[in-house]
Amino acid sequence: AQSVSQHNHHVILSEAASLELGCNYSYGGTVNLFWYVQYPGQHLQLLLKYFSGDPLVKGIKGFEAEFIKSKFSFNLRKPSVQWSDTAEYFCAVETSGTYKYIFGTGTRLKVLA
Amino acid sequence: GAGVSQSPSNKVTEKGKDVELRCDPISGHTALYWYRQRLGQGLEFLIYFQGNSAPDKSGLPSDRFSAERTGESVSTLTIQRTQQEDSAVYLCASSPGSTQYFGPGTRLLVL
Repeated sequence: AQSVSQHNHHVILSEAASLELGCNYSYGGTVNLFWYVQYPGQHLQLLLKYFSGDPLVKGIKGFEAEFIKSKFSFNLRKPSVQWSDTAEYFCAVETSGTYKYIFGTGTRLKVLA
Repeated sequence: GAGVSQSPSNKVTEKGKDVELRCDPISGHTALYWYRQRLGQGLEFLIYFQGNSAPDKSGLPSDRFSAERTGESVSTLTIQRTQQEDSAVYLCASSPGSTQYFGPGTRLLVL
């Protein structure tokens, strides 16, 4: 069965530290990839997405993610985190031609001021 | 513009009672999804509506769960004879294509 793995369940960083959150999926075909963020008390928001083209995609608030097809990965990065980045981050995969997202279990990021 | 809205935001019910959750999608979005998010877990797909096509109900965990949608408008998710394990946040999302836009969720607590 298709699955999405987010290996880091909880991450604590100091402000200005660099961030990388892992996302791996199991599916050999064409995929659409997403990162969603849920800030405390708010609903899920789209951070960035990859459908095709340049495997390095840039999203809002300085986030970026790189699709590495050979590694079935779509890791999220930010060079310098801020306290306001404290949130839960979800990776999601849609196999192209379908409509279903498969979500990872999420990574809770806490940024210390 | 208006996003996806859900009501109620919180619902506390007693075991065995029926509950109805509502989702108002973004206008013009043909697709609508329901998910369940249990504490500490990822989002679990429940059901998908696309226009006037038959819904994909493959994610519904039991026959106590049902959902309806009229055309491309409001959807309701009904849970009959609620059980404590139904306690979760129920999320609705709508989509014009591949990208899904989520509502704030309904937090359901079954006592």
